[in-house]
Amino acid sequence: EVLLVESGGALIEPGGSLRVSCAASGFTFSSFAMNWVRQAPGGGLEWVSSISGTGGSTYYADSVKGRFTISRDNAKKTLYLQMNSLKAEDTAVYHCAKEFPGYYFYYMDVWGKGTTVTVSS
Amino acid sequence: QSALTQPASVSGSPGQSIAISCTGSSSDVGGYNFVSWYQQHPGKVPKLIMYDVTKRPSGVSNRFSGSRSGNTASLTISGLQADDEADYYCCSYTSSSTLVFGGGTRLTVL
Repeated sequence: EVLLVESGGALIEPGGSLRVSCAASGFTFSSFAMNWVRQAPGGGLEWVSSISGTGGSTYYADSVKGRFTISRDNAKKTLYLQMNSLKAEDTAVYHCAKEFPGYYFYYMDVWGKGTTVTVSS
Repeated sequence: QSALTQPASVSGSPGQSIAISCTGSSSDVGGYNFVSWYQQHPGKVPKLIMYDVTKRPSGVSNRFSGSRSGNTASLTISGLQADDEADYYCCSYTSSSTLVFGGGTRLTVL
């Protein structure tokens, strides 16, 4: 069974830093691009960032560029999102999502349940 | 990277057909075939139900269909069923090598 499990969410003060993780199982992790998508409380989906299977290519939404860094450890089958200079508007559930086979990061076929990041003083 | 424009809500009776629009620009919806739709039931994770504008992943009912005219993509659901009640999001690849979602549409089955 393909499974994605996020962790690391927390209550953090504005301006702080946090790293969330996504542990993958049930598929060849290094063969697929991965994504982070967030959903604010009561809000819609917002694409945050994507990374290629090798980790050599990364992509970011303008809202997080320069503050967030996506990375992966293929040996550990784990995806990461390092979040710096956090703002209240970064408060959301952060989902990791796997590439729909053959379509790079354009589509996502398996999603984790998410980890909650709350930015507040 | 402005969100794609979707109606906030649509509704229909069981058995009817409804359509949800998703309007962007020539830099996203109108410029690439990488347009998708996701269904999200309350408390659940999103599910991919349409990709490449008109293609359905394996296992998705053929009551769901996709189309596009210019910068507007549409998702049509025919033969509405109670289980179709959910939030629907469109998503497109953009000329900036990013993805952008629509604001989401709440479908109510009356």
